[in-house]
Amino acid sequence: GAVVSQHPSRVICKSGTSVKIECRSLDFQATTMFWYRQFPKKSLMLMATSNEGSKATYEQGVEKDKFLINHASLTLSTLTVTSAHPEDSSFYICSAIAILLAGGDEQFFGPGTRLTVL
Amino acid sequence: KQEVTQIPAALSVPEGENLVLNCSFTDSAIYNLQWFRQDPGKGLTSLLLIQSSQREQTSGRLNASLDKSSGRSTLYIAASQPGDSATYLCAVTNDYKLSFGAGTTVTVRA
Repeated sequence: GAVVSQHPSRVICKSGTSVKIECRSLDFQATTMFWYRQFPKKSLMLMATSNEGSKATYEQGVEKDKFLINHASLTLSTLTVTSAHPEDSSFYICSAIAILLAGGDEQFFGPGTRLTVL
Repeated sequence: KQEVTQIPAALSVPEGENLVLNCSFTDSAIYNLQWFRQDPGKGLTSLLLIQSSQREQTSGRLNASLDKSSGRSTLYIAASQPGDSATYLCAVTNDYKLSFGAGTTVTVRA
């Protein structure tokens, strides 16, 4: 299957700093990527849809100035958590849509990034 | 808005027993349904994907059924093993967006 990577896998930062998380599709091009957030023992919540070459579409309740998304190429999307606070601590997961040779498409997920804000 | 519910929230069984995990969703106009496995602190591993036109998918000891009209899916894991211990997530796709259930955490006792 298609492979999606995330970097870093873990990050600890001080309150008030900004943190950038990268999501890469390694063996396919993805015009659309997604960013999710997962709280402990909770479901994944879609934060935003990242479209290559255009602005991201944010879900209701997600602050776009707080969570900056840039999809500058067909294989890379970045999520920057600006002025991070302890309540931003979470597990962030990205996914990318791959077009399947057999037809149709499927979302493939990255391994996630654990953000801890002190 | 799509709501996805998974029951039970947690399940503990002895090794060798069959597992039955349930998923229900409120909006039946789905594109597909996926079952994922998530180990603690890790990302998602896709187990089975069922297109909206399909009734079931099988992979090894795993079988997933889909009844779109009633908004239900069931994941069966035959002859469970300790290595099957994980959280299993169900997700449905509407307009390319995935909506996830909260998961069922499975513990298989040796």
